[in-house]
Amino acid sequence: QKEVEQNSGPLSVPEGAIASLNCTYSDRGSQSFFWYRQYSGKSPELIMSIYSNGDKEDGRFTAQLNKASQYVSLLIRDSQPSDSATYLCAVNQGSNFGNEKLTFGTGTRLTIIP
Amino acid sequence: DAGVTQSPTHLIKTRGQQVTLRCSPKSGHDTVSWYQQALGQGPQFIFQYYEEEERQRGNFPDRFSGHQFPNYSSELNVNALLLGDSALYLCASSDAGGTDTGELFFGEGSRLTVL
Repeated sequence: QKEVEQNSGPLSVPEGAIASLNCTYSDRGSQSFFWYRQYSGKSPELIMSIYSNGDKEDGRFTAQLNKASQYVSLLIRDSQPSDSATYLCAVNQGSNFGNEKLTFGTGTRLTIIP
Repeated sequence: DAGVTQSPTHLIKTRGQQVTLRCSPKSGHDTVSWYQQALGQGPQFIFQYYEEEERQRGNFPDRFSGHQFPNYSSELNVNALLLGDSALYLCASSDAGGTDTGELFFGEGSRLTVL
């Protein structure tokens, strides 16, 4: 079983609709969870972080965390063509320092259709 | 405020050669991590440096080594290159004393091609 699993996609969503991206993780001790956006040929860019159960909203983005189900999701409302990218879920298994290392999923490729 | 900078951006090597990649962290950051991202995959953790010491290491062979300098910049060295080492090498910096645990800021990467 992979430590962090994502559906590789591609996921196609019409412009203006809600894009829903999902991620599961295997380590129950995981402390911190992140969504990164990566455009083709570019480096990952942090778009959301979440540390406790529930929802966290930032503009058009909402991250959802359910530690009991070991599940993290990202919702993108009012999807725009510029949202077309690969979305990487990352999990920090944590330690005293809190930022030891991130384990990434393979990413979900999202395409927004105009 | 300068972000994470990496050099070189692209390089081509042949099997058996050695390569050194360089990274300067974001201003105010003291911790540098290196990741390898193969095509179509997520980044994989190589190692992390803090206070000039390797703090944690991922599942990479000893051919991969690194260094952190007093100004927090870092180098990644790979010896005896294999074709499978072809990848995007990402440097990420963070602040060990920061309140937002685990937030990494990535540089644009060094794309290594091994022929």
